Amino acid sequence: GAGVSQTPSNKVTEKGKYVELRCDPISGHTALYWYRQSLGQGPEFLIYFQGTGAADDSGLPNDRFFAVRPEGSVSTLKIQRTERGDSAVYLCASSLTSGSNNEQFFGPGTRLTVL
Amino acid sequence: RKEVEQDPGPFNVPEGATVAFNCTYSNSASQSFFWYRQDCRKEPKLLMSVYSSGNEDGRFTAQLNRASQYISLLIRDSKLSDSATYLCVVNGGGGGFKTIFGAGTRLFVKA
Repeated sequence: GAGVSQTPSNKVTEKGKYVELRCDPISGHTALYWYRQSLGQGPEFLIYFQGTGAADDSGLPNDRFFAVRPEGSVSTLKIQRTERGDSAVYLCASSLTSGSNNEQFFGPGTRLTVL
Repeated sequence: RKEVEQDPGPFNVPEGATVAFNCTYSNSASQSFFWYRQDCRKEPKLLMSVYSSGNEDGRFTAQLNRASQYISLLIRDSKLSDSATYLCVVNGGGGGFKTIFGAGTRLFVKA
């Protein structure tokens, strides 16, 4: 079956602009995670959804970052007033349920470049 | 102190070598532990879960020591295809589902 998909694969934007990054999880997966990864670092947790609700958003760096998952499937990560420091690969992952033992399946990521 | 710390690497080993990676974590309430593998410019993929009793999957053995808050991964008989970054992952604790990745250890296996 289809894995986690993310669009766009690459996004180049200018400082101060607004961007939306989309994640389509594996069908039937109730848990969804967003991470960002900078070069030479591991993925950094941003937010976790269980169904439609954000169960843990403690990783969002500031109020410019916001994520939604209105129907419990597709999720959108929204970044306002982008800054050069936001440049990174944004990864989405999904897992079958919310249990912490569950394997997370990652999408290929969106590479965001803020000029 | 980082929540999950790993050997910085890189590790350069010949084919057939045995290599061990170490990882420590700071949150004693953490609930589950994993090793993920990440190839260059690819997404992370689960290599194996880690249990206190230790677990083995072919050439790979993972071990968890909760008292020391220490996780290890042993790769025996290294193959060229093992070349990748290995990420130590800690999940849960404190009532949340936050997943913390280490910075990763790069492994290069050479012929």
